[in-house]
Amino acid sequence: GQNIDQPTEMTATEGAIVQINCTYQTSGFNGLFWYQQHAGEAPTFLSYNVLDGLEEKGRFSSFLSRSKGYSYLLLKELQMKDSASYLCAVLDSNYQLIWGAGTKLIIKP
Amino acid sequence: GAVVSQHPSRVICKSGTSVKIECRSLDFQATTMFWYRQFPKKSLMLMATSNEGSKATYEQGVEKDKFLINHASLTLSTLTVTSAHPEDSSFYICSARGGDGDTEAFFGQGTRLTVV
Repeated sequence: GQNIDQPTEMTATEGAIVQINCTYQTSGFNGLFWYQQHAGEAPTFLSYNVLDGLEEKGRFSSFLSRSKGYSYLLLKELQMKDSASYLCAVLDSNYQLIWGAGTKLIIKP
Repeated sequence: GAVVSQHPSRVICKSGTSVKIECRSLDFQATTMFWYRQFPKKSLMLMATSNEGSKATYEQGVEKDKFLINHASLTLSTLTVTSAHPEDSSFYICSARGGDGDTEAFFGQGTRLTVV
């Protein structure tokens, strides 16, 4: 079966760095997405990785290792507004998005 | 990024009535549209996938006669919740993807449906 695993909840301090991990087992792979979702709102796109390595975009970076079925989202200089759920999703061989359950990130002052 | 507009953002309806939710791609042609349902503190659950001009493909366990999906044009898809009941209350989200190998799907703002 297809499976995406990510921690249910994480807590971090304002100004610090946090890494949210995602492991996946899917039928085929056509890329991995990270989305941010604030409560009551639709997800917003953060990053897309299809090749191994690190993609940096401002305070957010995303890493992918296809051989390990592993990705992480790195958030630097955390701000209170970063409190949200972070969803990992993999595009499988049929170009269907397989979603993780999301990681709720709590930022404390 | 591309813009997907979903309407209404919130709707309250009486049990037994039907509700239509619209999803429009404003600046691109959406070959494929996805409809999701999300329960509180849960991830997105794919309900169905629709391709323009053809019947939607429903996921297992989703009643096609209750959740009617129409994708009549490359810019509009609709989800109609028929004979709504309180257990249909949820957050419904659409996303749209263009063709020609596009991988990213763009999300609408979501619709909070409350059935009373």
